Amino acid sequence: EPEVTQTPSHQVTQMGQEVILRCVPISNHLYFYWYRQILGQKVEFLVSFYNNEISEKSEIFDDQFSVERPDGSNFTLKIRSTKLEDSAMYFCASNRVEKLFFGSGTQLSVL
Amino acid sequence: QKEVEQNSGPLSVPEGAIASLNCTYSDQGSQSFFWYRQYSGKSPELIMFIYSNGDKEDGRFTAQLNKASQYVSLLIRDSQPSDSATYLCAVKSSASKIIFGSGTRLSIRP
Repeated sequence: EPEVTQTPSHQVTQMGQEVILRCVPISNHLYFYWYRQILGQKVEFLVSFYNNEISEKSEIFDDQFSVERPDGSNFTLKIRSTKLEDSAMYFCASNRVEKLFFGSGTQLSVL
Repeated sequence: QKEVEQNSGPLSVPEGAIASLNCTYSDQGSQSFFWYRQYSGKSPELIMFIYSNGDKEDGRFTAQLNKASQYVSLLIRDSQPSDSATYLCAVKSSASKIIFGSGTRLSIRP
């Protein structure tokens, strides 16, 4: 069964550093998403991406965040200058119609 | 602010019994509703989705939707220890945005 792939599974970085989280969505899916989940809290919507542009974004997705689909398969989330509060599990997801499929996540720790 | 509300639990149910999970949502215009299961440290996985008022059954799971009351529920029949997880209610609030509740922790006791 096709799946959403995320790398790396864990990322440790220093505050103020840039990080790039990578995702390979399911190949025939049209919408791509990033969510984050701070430990013990809800899964929060960050951004959706369709037809090579941002479709919607939340108030969390400020100027420090950007997304890109650099080629036909990868979908990336960049955090330009990480803060301690960016520490969370970041999930990539994709769908074609209604069913949202999640990757296994990248655990980001900002020290 | 569009919201999805769930009781955090934990909800403790004996093995073999029916577990009932509830969710309310604030946006009357929402059209699609989802239940996800999330095991600790894992990503959410879709259990089922529902669009229309009434019940939808899939194996041991039944989703119920009442749009007038803005209420969605999930029933799990013949609960098994492997059903112990956090259950996330999600609502499609627009064409490209699905928002989640904070989840209900379910514990099935043998």
